[in-house]
Amino acid sequence: QKEVEQNSGPLSVPEGAIASLNCTYSDRVSQSFFWYRQYSGKSPELIMSIYSNGDKEDGRFTAQLNKASQYVSLLIRDSQPSDSATYLCAALDTGGFKTIFGAGTRLFVKA
Amino acid sequence: EAGVVQSPRYKIIEKKQPVAFWCNPISGHNTLYWYLQNLGQGPELLIRYENEEAVDDSQLPKDRFSAERLKGVDSTLKIQPAELGDSAVYLCASSPRTGNTGELFFGEGSRLTVL
Repeated sequence: QKEVEQNSGPLSVPEGAIASLNCTYSDRVSQSFFWYRQYSGKSPELIMSIYSNGDKEDGRFTAQLNKASQYVSLLIRDSQPSDSATYLCAALDTGGFKTIFGAGTRLFVKA
Repeated sequence: EAGVVQSPRYKIIEKKQPVAFWCNPISGHNTLYWYLQNLGQGPELLIRYENEEAVDDSQLPKDRFSAERLKGVDSTLKIQPAELGDSAVYLCASSPRTGNTGELFFGEGSRLTVL
């Protein structure tokens, strides 16, 4: 199993819907998780970080961490076409020395 | 505040030629990273610097890749000689805090094509 795994998608949702992006992780990562957004041809941009079990909300974004099931989710409410991008899940390795990225999930929001 | 600056944005070279990429991190950011990103994949760490010290270069293919950050500010990543499989985007990132916090600020990247 890879340290951080994501479904490559694409995930397609209509405008205004909730987009749900999921990520699972192995025992080889620590309990610090991050979501990056990457537009086509652009570099990754940090949008959320989460360190403890439960939900963390920031505007239309909610990150969820479930340590028992080893998954992290990103919910995007009221999805907009401008949210269309690849979303990368990332985690620190257990030593805290390296940030490990998943392969990303492509999201497409249809107007 | 200026972001992470990288150059060149695009580079096309023949295999076996050398190539160098330059990065200037955000002012005051002591930690600097070089990542490699292949199409459809997430970034993979090549090397991490704390000031001028390379504290994690375990993923850097040292037979052909080298990096330096002589004065603890800007950095250069070199490939010599380049191979076809080196075609990728080379991303530089910086972080304001010492150690790997996972909160990284990326430059726009340098896209390398090896023919």
